[in-house]
Amino acid sequence: NAGVTQTPKFRILKIGQSMTLQCTQDMNHNYMYWYRQDPGMGLKLIYYSVGAGITDKGEVPNGYNVSRSTTEDFPLRLELAAPSQTSVYFCASSYRPGTNEKLFFGSGTQLSVL
Amino acid sequence: GESVGLHLPTLSVQEGDNSIINCAYSNSASDYFIWYKQESGKGPQFIIDIRSNMDKRQGQRVTVLLNKTVKHLSLQIAATQPGDSAVYFCAEIPISSGSARQLTFGSGTQLTVLP
Repeated sequence: NAGVTQTPKFRILKIGQSMTLQCTQDMNHNYMYWYRQDPGMGLKLIYYSVGAGITDKGEVPNGYNVSRSTTEDFPLRLELAAPSQTSVYFCASSYRPGTNEKLFFGSGTQLSVL
Repeated sequence: GESVGLHLPTLSVQEGDNSIINCAYSNSASDYFIWYKQESGKGPQFIIDIRSNMDKRQGQRVTVLLNKTVKHLSLQIAATQPGDSAVYFCAEIPISSGSARQLTFGSGTQLTVLP
């Protein structure tokens, strides 16, 4: 069972470039999340989705977009990369908020914007 | 806004000793708390959770204590092993997060196990 899979693991972007961070889960979880983690800091929520076709902003959504066309996939899009977006990005999913709250995390994507 | 915070950013313990990692939270409306372990280069890994209607919960070598009076959460690791070296995060879900049940993370404590 693969769990939550993120690609790529590392990426370097130039200012103004765009890219999509991929996330897929095979646990049939309805809830999916994107977090960013700056050095020495906790995780901050960028966007989340409560099911296919439904997305909503988290704490730090500016500069990002998401889509959720299937239960399995939740890609994160950076349209105009900025140095402030240099961070480690984690995708997570959970089964049933309210009864089973555990988030399962992917291994992360380390992004540098130069 | 309200947030989850940690008392100490770093903690060093001798192998075999017990570790205690503390966390202060300010949102009295939070009803669910989780401890995560994050090893270098990896995503956070679930350790143990506790709901606000409980004071204590035990797992394998780990115990979480919740003191709602002073809004304090602690993680106790028994017989600390080298593999326990990692950053530990506490996180909470405020009732105000609604159906999304969004986790709010603290900044983490680096636990180092000394030989």
